[in-house]
Amino acid sequence: DARVTQTPRHKVTEMGQEVTMRCQPILGHNTVFWYRQTMMQGLELLAYFRNRAPLDDSGMPKDRFSAEMPDATLATLKIQPSEPRDSAVYFCASGLVTGKFRDTGELFFGEGSRLTVL
Amino acid sequence: LAKTTQPISMDSYEGQEVNITCSHNNIATNDYITWYQQFPSQGPRFIIQGYKTKVTNEVASLFIPADRKSSTLSLPRVSLSDTAVYYCLVVFDTGGFKTIFGAGTRLFVKA
Repeated sequence: DARVTQTPRHKVTEMGQEVTMRCQPILGHNTVFWYRQTMMQGLELLAYFRNRAPLDDSGMPKDRFSAEMPDATLATLKIQPSEPRDSAVYFCASGLVTGKFRDTGELFFGEGSRLTVL
Repeated sequence: LAKTTQPISMDSYEGQEVNITCSHNNIATNDYITWYQQFPSQGPRFIIQGYKTKVTNEVASLFIPADRKSSTLSLPRVSLSDTAVYYCLVVFDTGGFKTIFGAGTRLFVKA
């Protein structure tokens, strides 16, 4: 059963520390999204990639957040330095866009990485 | 990108049909309407997507009028396990389906 895998599932760290979250998209998917979810803001789109190239990262605080896809099987989201306001659940999602009219656009989400910054 | 508006919460009883309406007044020609479901401590799960008229799958139906300025997700005969947050999204076709979530509708199904 293909699924998006995220690590770590839980992370507690102190303010100022670097945090790296990893995502393994579903094999064959060419689009990867990073979202952040909090009670106050809901689900926020941070960045997304197609064929490993960043299409939009306007939702990310550029000074401390960075997102990359070193290869097709790994997406990373890094926060350096972390702050208490970064505490949230971070979701990775992947999908397949073929470029044909009326692709479904269905995204498959991982279980999330719950980050707590003290 | 088109903004969506949907009710904050809804209550229902087991066995009833639930209809959640979403408005998206400035939807563009290339946009699709998509619905996701999210349970606590889980990522959202795709339910259904449509462009116009009616789409039906094994779990839901999606009704879209001709002007496409609104859409209605219909859940037949809900059960307690359908208690979740339901998100209506307008997905931009070009550029890889940029998918932005709104606040969602919290559905509570009672026994």
